[in-house]
Amino acid sequence: KQEVTQIPAALSVPEGENLVLNCSFTDSAIYNLQWFRQDPGKGLTSLLLIQSSQREQTSGRLNASLDKSSGRSTLYIAASQPGDSATYLCAVPSGGYQKVTFGTGTKLQVIP
Amino acid sequence: EPEVTQTPSHQVTQMGQEVILRCVPISNHLYFYWYRQILGQKVEFLVSFYNNEISEKSEIFDDQFSVERPDGSNFTLKIRSTKLEDSAMYFCASSVRLTNTEAFFGQGTRLTVV
Repeated sequence: KQEVTQIPAALSVPEGENLVLNCSFTDSAIYNLQWFRQDPGKGLTSLLLIQSSQREQTSGRLNASLDKSSGRSTLYIAASQPGDSATYLCAVPSGGYQKVTFGTGTKLQVIP
Repeated sequence: EPEVTQTPSHQVTQMGQEVILRCVPISNHLYFYWYRQILGQKVEFLVSFYNNEISEKSEIFDDQFSVERPDGSNFTLKIRSTKLEDSAMYFCASSVRLTNTEAFFGQGTRLTVV
């Protein structure tokens, strides 16, 4: 059974700081990993999809890396802004192609 | 940009009542999913749907739940007799393919059972 853990559970940083969010998963036989953003009481916004054959994927100030063999992914956010404040979730396929397992998330607060 | 839309955004219902949550997936997508998130907990997989039938479901998705695609565009989740513990945010998602593809999520329906 796939287990997904995200560390830290919460993070508070001053504006402008670079930061790294961590995601680890127990079953490394995945074909992709997806990072999402969730604002309080809101839906899920897909940020980045990184394929198993890739090591990195970039979108603007976001960079996701994937190390399948060690079961880890990181989401790097450069020059953080107050608008980045949200919960960040990573999600990986588990047990079959159709079921995705989500982590518990990292709640980020960027202080102006 | 195409998006998955869900209605209503918030539904309040009395325990024991039936509710139908509605979703319009992205038009060229073939795979459809429902997830739920109880307040303060993880997002959990409920069911996936392809070619007009359920292809996978979790242990949460018991006989009280059903899904259908009644008209080729809408994708619905029905809860026959709601319980207090069904209160959650329900997310619909769709993808164009089964593997190596991004799943797009709707903004969710917040279901409150009283």
